[in-house]
This record gives sequence, C-alpha cells and structure tokens, in this order.
Amino acid sequence: GAVVSQHPSRVICKSGTSVKIECRSLDFQATTMFWYRQFPKQSLMLMATSNEGSKATYEQGVEKDKFLINHASLTLSTLTVTSAHPEDSSFYICSAQKQGYEQYFGPGTRLTVT
Amino acid sequence: AQSVTQLGSHVSVSEGALVLLRCNYSSSVPPYLFWYVQYPNQGLQLLLKYTTGATLVKGINGFEAEFKKSETSFHLTKPSAHMSDAAEYFCAVSDPFGGSYIPTFGRGTSLIVHP
Repeated sequence: GAVVSQHPSRVICKSGTSVKIECRSLDFQATTMFWYRQFPKQSLMLMATSNEGSKATYEQGVEKDKFLINHASLTLSTLTVTSAHPEDSSFYICSAQKQGYEQYFGPGTRLTVT
Repeated sequence: AQSVTQLGSHVSVSEGALVLLRCNYSSSVPPYLFWYVQYPNQGLQLLLKYTTGATLVKGINGFEAEFKKSETSFHLTKPSAHMSDAAEYFCAVSDPFGGSYIPTFGRGTSLIVHP
C-alpha cells in the first residue's frame, strides 16, 4: 500500500502565532510531496511542490515567507503557517508522489485561526 | 495547459439508481485521468485512473469510467447507488507527456443519495 499521514488532523491557534503541519509517507519514500489548500465546497488549490533536499516550488500567488515548506527526508515534509491570520483558516492536504505519477493523499489538516 | 470541467456541482440520485458524474477535459497531449472521492473532513482517495490501454477503467466501490478521446470526456458511473456513496467527487487530469505529473482538479461534484 501507500499510506500518507498528516499531523495534526485539527488545530486551533491564535492570530499571530505559527503552526506546523507534518506530512509523512509511512510505507514508501517520496522524493516529491505536494501541499494543497481547500476552501469549503471548493476544489484543491496547489500551493507548492516540495522536493527532498531542495527548496520548494511555490505556485503563483502563494507567499513563500508565510507558508514555509521543509522536506528534510524522503518520508517527511512540513508546512509551517507563520503569523497566522483568520483568513489562513482552511483545510490543508498533502500528497506524496510514488514512482512517477501516482499521488497519495493525506487525510488533511483543518486549521482554524481565531 | 490542461483543464477539467465537471458539469453539475451537485448530483442527486435515489438509492439503487444509476450514478453518472460528468467530466470533460482539455489537454494538448494524451492525458492521464483520475477520479477521486472525498468524504467530509478527509483527504482524497483514488477511485480509478486511466493512463494508457483499455479505455474502460474499473475502480473501487463498483465505479467505472470510460475515456472517450473524441468527446474529451471521462465520465464516472456506477450502476446502483448506495447511501455510502454520498461524498464529493473530483475529476483530475495530468499531462505526463508534457512533463507534468501534477494533476489539475475539477471543481468537484457533490453526490447526494436519497433513501
């Protein structure tokens, strides 16, 4: 199988604080991981592509200084939302790419900024 | 550039009825096509995919989809809906021959199943 986990599944933080979301591929090595954001009743918006050992590639309009991505190993990528604001509240989903084109998605993290 | 259009943001069927979720794509090269299902507050689960070969693709939970190049379509069907099929369904296309495996997602179709 190909299992991807995310932690935490839900997080509530105060405005101005930072929060880190972890994405792990549990039973395979993923050279590439992806971070998506999903607004209610909408599709997934690709935020960035994360490659192990190199800087992430951000999509147009995504603030790289606000959404810090680190892909330190072949099984772990992290997304840190810095100085979070209520408008950053969303559902964040990661995926990991295995052997070419297959992407496996994590269960998502619900971020609420108060 | 590739794009995906899912006709109908909501589809409502009775339990036991045929499910048909429509997906049309645009791509300049032969695409890879995917259908994903998302249950509330969960990630995406792959239902089925088309890459090459047989154009009728069977997936999990009794779903299938047919790649029709002439119609640029990849509609998802299931002969008999079950209450547990109620979820959000996303069609996606990627362009591997153009160098990108990153899928582009449609806006999603919410499947509602009535008893």
